[in-house]
Amino acid sequence: DAKTTQPPSMDCAEGRAANLPCNHSTISGNEYVYWYRQIHSQGPQYIIHGLKNNETNEMASLIITEDRKSSTLILPHATLRDTAVYYCIVRGGNQAGTALIFGKGTTLSVSS
Amino acid sequence: DSGVTQTPKHLITATGQRVTLRCSPRSGDLSVYWYQQSLDQGLQFLIQYYNGEERAKGNILERFSAQQFPDLHSELNLSSLELGDSALYFCASSGHGELFFGEGSRLTVL
Repeated sequence: DAKTTQPPSMDCAEGRAANLPCNHSTISGNEYVYWYRQIHSQGPQYIIHGLKNNETNEMASLIITEDRKSSTLILPHATLRDTAVYYCIVRGGNQAGTALIFGKGTTLSVSS
Repeated sequence: DSGVTQTPKHLITATGQRVTLRCSPRSGDLSVYWYQQSLDQGLQFLIQYYNGEERAKGNILERFSAQQFPDLHSELNLSSLELGDSALYFCASSGHGELFFGEGSRLTVL
């Protein structure tokens, strides 16, 4: 699986959009970008995933650049409960049903 | 609620002892994964089972073993426990896509 690079930490004001970047410059054509988050000591939570098109669900939006070498997770109106570690993971489409390998992620701190 | 159930939530034991952690996957999920998260380490993948068979191994120590039963629940056995085994142990399950994680079992070895 391609390696990902994320900033170790970010801050965001409550009510503002949180934009979390991820670099995956070695991603290959059949690899998906997954985002998970872990709120303090809880089990990781699936947020969203995508291949090449932008995706949106009730939690977040995922913007993938045209060359697919980077992506941004957007939490449109961050709340204090969004404070968590966010993990960007690249995984092959033919690897559905395989383990996710977590890196260090980005610690997002949302403050009032 | 992810639908993945882990027991016990907390466990305190002594060095040299053996413990068993249990995981019930989401209904219909055939894959079960075990992860370890220590204070100074990230989420480390230990092992995966698929429909009763071992599918993949990660950084699992020889003192640790797991199995998945016909009803698809799984157990992680940790033996000859050391202080460094103190950690959160997460179980996850999946069908064919994203993984869903339980709330973890916190193991403290004294």
